Amino acid sequence: QQQVKQSPQSLIVQKGGISIINCAYENTAFDYFPWYQQFPGKGPALLIAIRPDVSEKKEGRFTISFNKSAKQFSLHIMDSQPGDSATYFCAASKGSNYQLIWGAGTKLIIKP
Amino acid sequence: DGGITQSPKYLFRKEGQNVTLSCEQNLNHDAMYWYRQDPGQGLRLIYYSQIVNDFQKGDIAEGYSVSREKKESFPLTVTSAQKNPTAFYLCASSIQGMRTEAFFGQGTRLTVV
Repeated sequence: QQQVKQSPQSLIVQKGGISIINCAYENTAFDYFPWYQQFPGKGPALLIAIRPDVSEKKEGRFTISFNKSAKQFSLHIMDSQPGDSATYFCAASKGSNYQLIWGAGTKLIIKP
Repeated sequence: DGGITQSPKYLFRKEGQNVTLSCEQNLNHDAMYWYRQDPGQGLRLIYYSQIVNDFQKGDIAEGYSVSREKKESFPLTVTSAQKNPTAFYLCASSIQGMRTEAFFGQGTRLTVV
C-alpha cells in the first residue's frame, strides 16, 4: 500500500510529440504528488507538484493530470524537446512531512 | 550561490572500510536527507534530520550512520556493516520537509573494490 507504481520504465518520443508518464498508488491517504526531473550525473530537481483537491496543474509545457477515483496521476510534456531527455520520478507523500514514496523512474529520450 | 554540495563525486572503498560522504548546504534549510539510488529503482531514504542534533532513520538505515552537529552539514558514514554499499548517494535539503521543494546535491557514486 506504500508503493507508487510508475510506467513506462523507458520512453522514446519524437521531437514535438507528447510524452506521457503514468503513476498509480493504493494509499488514499497520500495527499501530495510531486514530479522530479533528473539529468545524468545530477541530483533530481522538482518539476511540478499537485495536491488532490485539483484535477490538473499546468506549468509551461508540463502538465500533471490527477484522477483521484482511479488513484492515478500522470505527467504530460507537450511539444517535447531533446533537452527534456532525462529520468522522471513521480512520488507521493502522506501526512509525514519528511518522507516521500518514490516511483522507480522513467527514462525519457526525445529523438530530434 | 546558494546550493547543496556533495563531495567527493566518486569514491572507491575497499571491503571492510568505513567511508564518510560529505554534504553541505548554504540554503539555511532546517531539513536534510540522505537517499540511495540504485538502477531501476526509485530513491530510498536512508536518514533524515529535521533540526540540528536530531535525526531519524529512514527505510534503509542499517549499515549507515549520520550526524547533524551543524545546520549546514549532514555527513553520512557508510560502515562495513552495509553489505551492498555500491550505489549513487544523494543528499537533499528543504525548508521544512519533503512537502516543500527539496534541493538535491549532485551525488556521490560509491564503488566497493
